[in-house]
Amino acid sequence: GAGVSQSPSNKVTEKGKDVELRCDPISGHTALYWYRQRLGQGLEFLIYFQGNSAPDKSGLPSDRFSAERTGESVSTLTIQRTQQEDSAVYLCASSLAANSYNEQFFGPGTRLTVL
Amino acid sequence: LAKTTQPISMDSYEGQEVNITCSHNNIATNDYITWYQQFPSQGPRFIIQGYKTKVTNEVASLFIPADRKSSTLSLPRVSLSDTAVYYCLVGANQGGKLIFGQGTELSVKP
Repeated sequence: GAGVSQSPSNKVTEKGKDVELRCDPISGHTALYWYRQRLGQGLEFLIYFQGNSAPDKSGLPSDRFSAERTGESVSTLTIQRTQQEDSAVYLCASSLAANSYNEQFFGPGTRLTVL
Repeated sequence: LAKTTQPISMDSYEGQEVNITCSHNNIATNDYITWYQQFPSQGPRFIIQGYKTKVTNEVASLFIPADRKSSTLSLPRVSLSDTAVYYCLVGANQGGKLIFGQGTELSVKP
């Protein structure tokens, strides 16, 4: 079956604009995760969903960041009033369930550049 | 969540065995140890996971001593295509929140 897909693959925007990043997880995976990776850095956890609920939003950097998931499927990460420090690769992953012993399958990421 | 410490970088040559050790002194009783591999411009990929003793799959082996305060990822006979960043993660049983450190950048030379 298909893996995790993300769109767009690249996004260039101007400072102050809003952006939406989309993630399509593997069918049947109840858990979905968002991470951010700055150039040359490790991954930074942002938020995860179990079903359509987000029990842990602790990683969201500011209130400009929000995410939702519908139908226990697609998820959207929204960044409002983008800043240059938001430039990074945003990675989505999914797993069968939300625990650390279930393998997380990662998508190819969305590279966001804020000018 | 337990913090992990691993070398920033390692160099090796084709055909050699590579061992990457990760320290996780504060590992909790219900924590699993997981290793991911990341190639440039790609998302991380699961390599291996263990709880104690030794785990082996077609890609690697994972050695975990009895106190579980460290673990060693062993890659047998590496090739150029094994050049990547390797992350050691220790996660809680609930939520699956993975804390990625800097990882170990492995460079395999011909």
